[in-house]
Amino acid sequence: DQQVKQNSPSLSVQEGRISILNCDYTNSMFDYFLWYKKYPAEGPTFLISISSIKDKNEDGRFTVFLNKSAKHLSLHIVPSQPGDSAVYFCAASGNSGGSNYKLTFGKGTLLTVNP
Amino acid sequence: NAGVMQNPRHLVRRRGQEARLRCSPMKGHSHVYWYRQLPEEGLKFMVYLQKENIIDESGMPKERFSAEFPKEGPSILRIQQVVRGDSAAYFCASSPSVAGKETQYFGPGTRLLVL
Repeated sequence: DQQVKQNSPSLSVQEGRISILNCDYTNSMFDYFLWYKKYPAEGPTFLISISSIKDKNEDGRFTVFLNKSAKHLSLHIVPSQPGDSAVYFCAASGNSGGSNYKLTFGKGTLLTVNP
Repeated sequence: NAGVMQNPRHLVRRRGQEARLRCSPMKGHSHVYWYRQLPEEGLKFMVYLQKENIIDESGMPKERFSAEFPKEGPSILRIQQVVRGDSAAYFCASSPSVAGKETQYFGPGTRLLVL
């Protein structure tokens, strides 16, 4: 049972435009959400996170939106740059039984930003 | 400040051999997590360790897999009698020794190939 779903395996956008990556979750115990970026042959790099008490968090070109009622979050990158081309993973954790360290990942979305 | 270090980066083993994967956390981090990524999948939690203690090994297969984080030296993920299904990328992450929501910082991974 996949608790974190990224339904788009890939996304292609033009340089300078907005990239929107989506993520859905099913476990209502999740209360902390993260986005990681991964280049081939490297480990995931932390991008941005959001707690369930917020609905938006912004860091430079990256903004994460959380819709708790829909169990949906999205990552917006604007403007997109060719260097943003990578696989983006959505991850979630929850405080069920004190296990807020255990990250549950989606399968990832490959973003390609075309010059 | 060096990041999380993992070695080897690539490991080839024949069925039945042992695989030892090492992870040195970031300086000042005393929490270590191991994740496994199978092809076309997201990362899956395996085990959480603090120095000399296994805190949560709920994601580890019951047989052939073990992990340790000794007082001195790196954390070790050990896979005995490897099988082809163990072929995957194994990522180690670390976080600082503070309570609450902690960002996990990932190493570059060890890619295990079982022939």
